[in-house]
Amino acid sequence: IVMTQSPATLSVSPGERATLSCRASQSVRSNLAWYQQKPGQAPRLLIYDASTRATGIPARFSGSGSGTEFTLTISSLQSEDFAVYYCQQYNNWPPWTFGQGTRVEIK
Amino acid sequence: QVQLVESGGGVVQPGRSLRLSCAASGFTFSSYAMHWVRQAPGKGLEWVAVISYDGSDKYYADSVKGRFAISRDNSKNTLYLQMNIPTTKDTAVYYCARDMNQWLVRGGWFDPWGQGTLVTVSS
Repeated sequence: IVMTQSPATLSVSPGERATLSCRASQSVRSNLAWYQQKPGQAPRLLIYDASTRATGIPARFSGSGSGTEFTLTISSLQSEDFAVYYCQQYNNWPPWTFGQGTRVEIK
Repeated sequence: QVQLVESGGGVVQPGRSLRLSCAASGFTFSSYAMHWVRQAPGKGLEWVAVISYDGSDKYYADSVKGRFAISRDNSKNTLYLQMNIPTTKDTAVYYCARDMNQWLVRGGWFDPWGQGTLVTVSS
């Protein structure tokens, strides 16, 4: 399954809302996760099962969607949220597949 | 706390073998499936391999099948990735990650991840 994320880069001002998209080449039901990766760091789980926040993840992060269309929303961007975000499907495996990433940068 | 620490990376010549390790702590390692995921410089994430809790079930990405081998030693709480016949395309940071599933290999998300170890394949 091919995962396609858009846009490749998103320029957002602190405090603004960010909306990231992820599309699957075929249905993955709700078997989708989102990860955040900062420079020089490992990915960190944000969302699983398309909409469930992982332990310790702030409420400003929310996920939605099912089937082939998914969205990660950051309601009010904080300075620590500028990073690269990846979606991953775990419905059809192997392989587990990731999107190519969306970079959220400061506008 | 749950922690994964990779080691064993470095510079290796094409065709020479290398073994990566991932030391686990803070959880019952022997109960979880475990993955290797890699990231080439400036690129995205690519799943590499997975192993079930007891090592009886293994799956590989097509890009490494027949060349890499995943294994584990539950008595040492350690995951391994044997990299045989590496090529320059295998240059990447290699992460180990815990599957959310205990016991068998099933579809699931990865949490947590180790900090990664860099492998550079170069002559």
